[in-house]
Amino acid sequence: QITLKESGPTLVKPTQTLTLTCTFSGFSLSSHGVGVGWIRQPPGKALEWLALIYWDDDKRYSPSLKSRLTITTDASKNQVVLAMTNLDPVDTATYYCVRLYGSGNYEHWYFDLWGRGTLVTVSS
Amino acid sequence: QSVLTQPPSVSGAPGQRVTISCTGSSSNIGAGFDVHWYQQLPGTAPKLLIYANRNRPSGVPDRFSGSKSGTSASLVITGLQAEDEADYYCQSYDNSLSGSRVFGGGTKLTVL
Repeated sequence: QITLKESGPTLVKPTQTLTLTCTFSGFSLSSHGVGVGWIRQPPGKALEWLALIYWDDDKRYSPSLKSRLTITTDASKNQVVLAMTNLDPVDTATYYCVRLYGSGNYEHWYFDLWGRGTLVTVSS
Repeated sequence: QSVLTQPPSVSGAPGQRVTISCTGSSSNIGAGFDVHWYQQLPGTAPKLLIYANRNRPSGVPDRFSGSKSGTSASLVITGLQAEDEADYYCQSYDNSLSGSRVFGGGTKLTVL
């Protein structure tokens, strides 16, 4: 069974750095055709892709947030960490950890599995 | 403002057929990149519904179907059921935005 689970603070003050951890099981990030990423959803609003790390350690970021984001994976590759700097109340959202999966060109890969999400509130 | 455009809402009676459109541009759907669809039931995480334009993951009923043409894609739901009431999102890849994964703004489906 494949699972992804997000963990991290539920409340962050403005200007602080948010660090979220995705712990996954049932697959390896070392396997070709796999990536792990983050997507967020402000309350009542649409989904927004944030960042991805691929099986070969290649990393991609949303252009609008690239300067604030860092995605990393641990040595055992069953955790992916997202750091977001300089938090603002507009960053209040549910943050989802997702698995990216596919074959062929990576542009065609899709988010086949999602964690339950974790709500992060940015407020003083 | 989402890169992919979806109608904010659609509705239909049980048993009817509804279509949700997803309009992009020459840098995403029109460039040949696949479109994927996700279903988000109230209070839950999104779930993959259709991948690579028209493929259903295991367990997704064949009442759900997808297609793509030009710079647009469509999700069709036939034999509408009450449990289909949810938000639906399309997603693709955009090569004008440093390789971004882009979403539509979402469509709320109401079963009357």
